[in-house]
Amino acid sequence: GNSVTQMEGPVTLSEEAFLTINCTYTATGYPSLFWYVQYPGEGLQLLLKATKADDKGSNKGFEATYRKETTSFHLEKGSVQVSDSAVYFCALILTGGGNKLTFGTGTQLKVEL
Amino acid sequence: GAVVSQHPSRVICKSGTSVKIECRSLDFQATTMFWYRQFPKQSLMLMATSNEGSKATYEQGVEKDKFLINHASLTLSTLTVTSAHPEDSSFYICSARGSDRGLLYEQYFGPGTRLTVT
Repeated sequence: GNSVTQMEGPVTLSEEAFLTINCTYTATGYPSLFWYVQYPGEGLQLLLKATKADDKGSNKGFEATYRKETTSFHLEKGSVQVSDSAVYFCALILTGGGNKLTFGTGTQLKVEL
Repeated sequence: GAVVSQHPSRVICKSGTSVKIECRSLDFQATTMFWYRQFPKQSLMLMATSNEGSKATYEQGVEKDKFLINHASLTLSTLTVTSAHPEDSSFYICSARGSDRGLLYEQYFGPGTRLTVT
């Protein structure tokens, strides 16, 4: 089956620190990969996506590269801000597989001054 | 573009009553809508997939008679929690997938509805 594994949180960083949140996946086909962000009390927002190997998704200073050889899609940001504090979900979708999103368990990020 | 709204954002109801949650795609037509449930500090659990004009497909373990889903139009799906109990208290999130080619595989999420059953 399909699954997404994320590093457990919470991750606590100081402002301007470098962020990496690891994400690996298993899939029976060729998935598209996503990072979603959930701010406290809100729904999910799409942060970035990549649809094929070696694609790099980027948005708001966040980046993730689709690595087929390591089945990974790690999220990175060079300098985090307090406003980045949220829960981050890695997810995949297989076209033709009912188009259902499979989510990781989420990683909470706390950024402190 | 691609905005999804949910109403209400928060609801408190008494045990035994029913609650309806609406999910609307505001600026696109959604042939498919998804309903998720999220427990505190946990990931989203897909409850059901609804396609406009047809019956919803429920995930294993989800009681279809308890969680009634109606996708009456291309912009509206409703989830009714019938005879709610405290264990149904949760954060319910919907998402919508567009029928336009450019939106075909992306899901756009609503802001969620916090249900508390007392």
